[in-house]
Amino acid sequence: QVQLQESGPGLVKPSQTLSLTCTVSGGSISSGNYYWSWIRQPAGKGLEWIGRIYTSGSTNYNPSLKSRVTISLDTSKNQFSLNLTSVTAADTAVYYCARVFETWGQGTLVTVSS
Amino acid sequence: QTVVTQEPSLTVSPGGTVTLTCASGTGAVTSGYYPNWFQQKPGQAPRALIYGTSNKYSWTPARFSGSLLGDKAALTLSGVQPEDEAEYYCLLYYGGAQGSWVFGGGTKLTVL
Repeated sequence: QVQLQESGPGLVKPSQTLSLTCTVSGGSISSGNYYWSWIRQPAGKGLEWIGRIYTSGSTNYNPSLKSRVTISLDTSKNQFSLNLTSVTAADTAVYYCARVFETWGQGTLVTVSS
Repeated sequence: QTVVTQEPSLTVSPGGTVTLTCASGTGAVTSGYYPNWFQQKPGQAPRALIYGTSNKYSWTPARFSGSLLGDKAALTLSGVQPEDEAEYYCLLYYGGAQGSWVFGGGTKLTVL
């Protein structure tokens, strides 16, 4: 049974880059015809899709975040990552990683503050 | 960005039936939007319930069903249980060159 776990700094300064990693266990990130997603949720608000990466390495991003987002895959570590540049307080949220949309990590809170 | 609209809140009695809907700002929702539905309880990650309009996961209770209703996607709960009280989100796919997904704003379902 595949499990996902987000990790990374819980506090990021404004204008800096938010970097998170999702570690996949119980299965290979490069096997199967899956894609791997990042989703976020500000406190008390709804879900926002950030983007996804296929096992081939191709990506799709939320148009509203596209200029600041990069999602990458590290098959040797069975991980995929999110980089979000030039963050502001509006990027404060719980960040989730997911396989397609059926398996989700527990989420990690990232606060943008000086 | 495209807006996906859900009822902000609904209330249902235990044992009753309720239908949540999901509308697209671009027009009628079809199977090509691959509607997904998720349940989220406070402090928990979302749990997937439905994919591709009406397909259930192995863990999806039988009382949950997905469909297209008029020009919207719909999630129907039949025989509602107290534990179904939660926030429900739909998710639609907007293909083309960008291939992006958009979540609805969520429906807070109260079982009372």
